[in-house]
Amino acid sequence: DSGVTQTPKHLITATGQRVTLRCSPRSGDLSVYWYQQSLDQGLQFLIQYYNGEERAKGNILERFSAQQFPDLHSELNLSSLELGDSALYFCASSGGQGSYNEQFFGPGTRLTVL
Amino acid sequence: GQSLEQPSEVTAVEGAIVQINCTYQTSGFYGLSWYQQHDGGAPTFLSYNALDGLEETGRFSSFLSRSDSYGYLLLQELQMKDSASYFCAVRDTPAAGNKLTFGGGTRVLVKP
Repeated sequence: DSGVTQTPKHLITATGQRVTLRCSPRSGDLSVYWYQQSLDQGLQFLIQYYNGEERAKGNILERFSAQQFPDLHSELNLSSLELGDSALYFCASSGGQGSYNEQFFGPGTRLTVL
Repeated sequence: GQSLEQPSEVTAVEGAIVQINCTYQTSGFYGLSWYQQHDGGAPTFLSYNALDGLEETGRFSSFLSRSDSYGYLLLQELQMKDSASYFCAVRDTPAAGNKLTFGGGTRVLVKP
């Protein structure tokens, strides 16, 4: 158990819909990272938050947005969903005690867009 | 941008040694990490190299040569439970958020 929690575990929705994925980081970690894993694209970095502020951005679509709240949990919002958005979405956290050598991954949310 | 190359698949028998190579081209580099992922599971951290040389953690070792933009993960005394995908990942600089860019992964299949 990494200490990172993600909900829901599975999500099935239709094209055009909007969903919110939730992540709670490991206790003490200030940084939260979101990654997308699909069969054809591998593990892709989407966005990072540090203590409530956006810190780094990857190839995140404009239809996707995220935020980190004062209690450090984070939400990833995916809108106008397309079939190609079906993937595993992982949240990871790091930075506890100032160490960034290791990222701790949550169990992931499997999104299926029909 | 960043790009990482690693073999797509390796097959070996129990007790054998496997080396997974990783070459990278990056615009920002702070270190090279390795993660293991079992089917349906989350990536889990194996090792991290910030400096040139070998890091040993039990049956797994990782090597980095910054001048060659090259690293490898060595799996020794292979066990069935080592069947998984292994990813190398470049850690970006703190100024860029320490984000990870992953290679495509190497699927390791351990046979009895």
